Amino acid sequence: GAVVSQHPSRVICKSGTSVKIECRSLDFQATTMFWYRQFPKQSLMLMATSNEGSKATYEQGVEKDKFLINHASLTLSTLTVTSAHPEDSSFYICSAIADLQGYQPQHFGDGTRLSIL
Amino acid sequence: GDSVTQMEGPVTLSEEAFLTINCTYTATGYPSLFWYVQYPGEGLQLLLKATKADDKGSNKGFEATYRKETTSFHLEKGSVQVSDSAVYFCAFNAGGTSYGKLTFGQGTILTVHP
Repeated sequence: GAVVSQHPSRVICKSGTSVKIECRSLDFQATTMFWYRQFPKQSLMLMATSNEGSKATYEQGVEKDKFLINHASLTLSTLTVTSAHPEDSSFYICSAIADLQGYQPQHFGDGTRLSIL
Repeated sequence: GDSVTQMEGPVTLSEEAFLTINCTYTATGYPSLFWYVQYPGEGLQLLLKATKADDKGSNKGFEATYRKETTSFHLEKGSVQVSDSAVYFCAFNAGGTSYGKLTFGQGTILTVHP
C-alpha cells in the first residue's frame, strides 16, 4: 500500500534553533501533502496544505514565517520550524495524497516528536 | 460548517467484547468517509473507507457503513483484542474545492483489557 516516510521521528534541540522535518511518499507521487500538529490527547490540527511547485496554503492562525514549507518534488515536502521555542514542542505529522479526484484517502507518516528545551 | 462528531471516550472493554464507536458528520455534498487508527507514538493509519452511500468499509474485523440518511459512519467490531487499543478517528473528505482536506472528529481512545 501507499507508504509515507517521515524523518526524524524524534528531535530534541535548544531554544532558538531551526528544525527541518522531511516527509516523503515512497511508492507514489503525491500531488498534495499536508502538515498537522497534534497536542496530547487531541485531534490533528491542520497547519498547511502543500502542493508541488507552488506556495503552501496555511490555515488561519498558523505563522507562515515560523513554519516554512517547501514541496520541491512530487515525493518530498519539508517543514522547517524556525527559531523554535518551547511552545513549539509538539507532535508533527505529515500526510500525502496521490489523487485529488475520486476522494482518495490521505496516507500518514509516523510523526515527529519535537521537544524544544 | 463541516464537522465530525465522535462518541466521547475513553472506551474501556474486555477482550472479545463488541465494539461500537459512533460517528456522525455534517457536510455538503457527498463526502468520502474514513476511519483512521493511531497507535501510541505513531502517525495515523487508514483503517477503512467508504466513498458512497450504503458502502460498507471493512478491514481487520472492523466495519462501518455509510448511512447517508442518518449522516453516520459508526465503527463496529464483533470481538476486540488487546492489540486494538488505540485512538480511533472518524474523518471525511468533502471533495471538490476541499482539495483532499480531511475533517476529523476529536478521536476516541479505546483500551481493551485481557
